Amino acid sequence: NAGVTQTPKFRVLKTGQSMTLLCAQDMNHEYMYWYRQDPGMGLRLIHYSVGEGTTAKGEVPDGYNVSRLKKQNFLLGLESAAPSQTSVYFCASSYGTGGRYEQYFGPGTRLTVT
Amino acid sequence: SQQGEEDPQALSIQEGENATMNCSYKTSINNLQWYRQNSGRGLVHLILIRSNEREKHSGRLRVTLDTSKKSSSLLITASRAADTASYFCATPLAYNKLIFGAGTRLAVHP
Repeated sequence: NAGVTQTPKFRVLKTGQSMTLLCAQDMNHEYMYWYRQDPGMGLRLIHYSVGEGTTAKGEVPDGYNVSRLKKQNFLLGLESAAPSQTSVYFCASSYGTGGRYEQYFGPGTRLTVT
Repeated sequence: SQQGEEDPQALSIQEGENATMNCSYKTSINNLQWYRQNSGRGLVHLILIRSNEREKHSGRLRVTLDTSKKSSSLLITASRAADTASYFCATPLAYNKLIFGAGTRLAVHP
């Protein structure tokens, strides 16, 4: 099993450009999450999904959109990138039921907006 | 807003010593989790302690939970250079959404 994978690993954007980050998991998890991590800080939740076709806002959703058309994929979009979105983005997934609460994280995408 | 706050922010020790990190949180929880993050990598789940547990062990890790004080501690015994990483506590909200603290940066020197 590959676990959780993220594409791309690195990206540099100019202000106003758009891009999509792809997250894929092969563990048949129901729940998926997008976080951002800024220097010296913990992770903050951007958006999450509790199943195929569902999405919901997290703590810091402004400037981002998400889609979960397939259970194994969770896409994070930036429609018009801003320097404040320079960050490391992590995707995670978890079981939805059964009392198994731990999350499995991808390796991250380092995004720089100039 | 961050639910968990780790203390200390940074910790530097020698190999073989024990490392203790503390976490405080604000609201009621049904479990608390600890994660490790090596430099430039994603987070890895270490251990989960449920609200009705007071202590839990996993290898060289020992976690305690005091729900009356809304605090938890992570003890790494006989530390190794490979334990050098950032350690985060996290508490789940509905749908397993995790709220993380800012983390403790642990440096273990050979």
